[in-house]
Amino acid sequence: GAVVSQHPSRVICKSGTSVKIECRSLDFQATTMFWYRQFPKQSLMLMATSNEGSKATYEQGVEKDKFLINHASLTLSTLTVTSAHPEDSSFYICSARDRASGGGETQYFGPGTRLLVL
Amino acid sequence: QKEVEQNSGPLSVPEGAIASLNCTYSDRGSQSFFWYRQYSGKSPELIMSIYSNGDKEDGRFTAQLNKASQYVSLLIRDSQPSDSATYLCAVKGGSARQLTFGSGTQLTVLP
Repeated sequence: GAVVSQHPSRVICKSGTSVKIECRSLDFQATTMFWYRQFPKQSLMLMATSNEGSKATYEQGVEKDKFLINHASLTLSTLTVTSAHPEDSSFYICSARDRASGGGETQYFGPGTRLLVL
Repeated sequence: QKEVEQNSGPLSVPEGAIASLNCTYSDRGSQSFFWYRQYSGKSPELIMSIYSNGDKEDGRFTAQLNKASQYVSLLIRDSQPSDSATYLCAVKGGSARQLTFGSGTQLTVLP
């Protein structure tokens, strides 16, 4: 149980284009999804928290107009990197918290999306 | 002071030995503690969660929590080369809204 998928797994794009990453909880409903970014040899950095049907909560220093998050349903959240630049190249990972756990803290991670901006 | 601290390693142990990974945290009100394993180029995978003081065992893994000392550890018995990965400690609760991750400890199990 508790499977989270991400699509695409890898994307290469030109500078200035926008990239959308999807995060889906496959076998459970996720009240909350989280988006992380991880640079090489560094730990996970939380970018934003996404709650179904409401605006995302962004961490300090994360530009909400650049990283657009939409949590349209209890099983899908999307992250759009707008006007991507080479410094946005990173490993983007989503995680989801199971609604059925009644507010339990366990998060299940997706496989990640590796973004390379040329 | 970092909120969650781990030795970055690398930690090397021979196959079959016990690997001991340590984590300290600064928020005394923290309530939930997790260990994740992350292979190179992959996303984190949950290994253990622990919420109460003491030991919690699951197969070859044992998590130990001491809230008074603000310390949580992970022991891996009979270490295997396939255990070679980065182990992330994550803490939730107290004043934090979400999970806070340590920087991870890189473990290498030598065959």
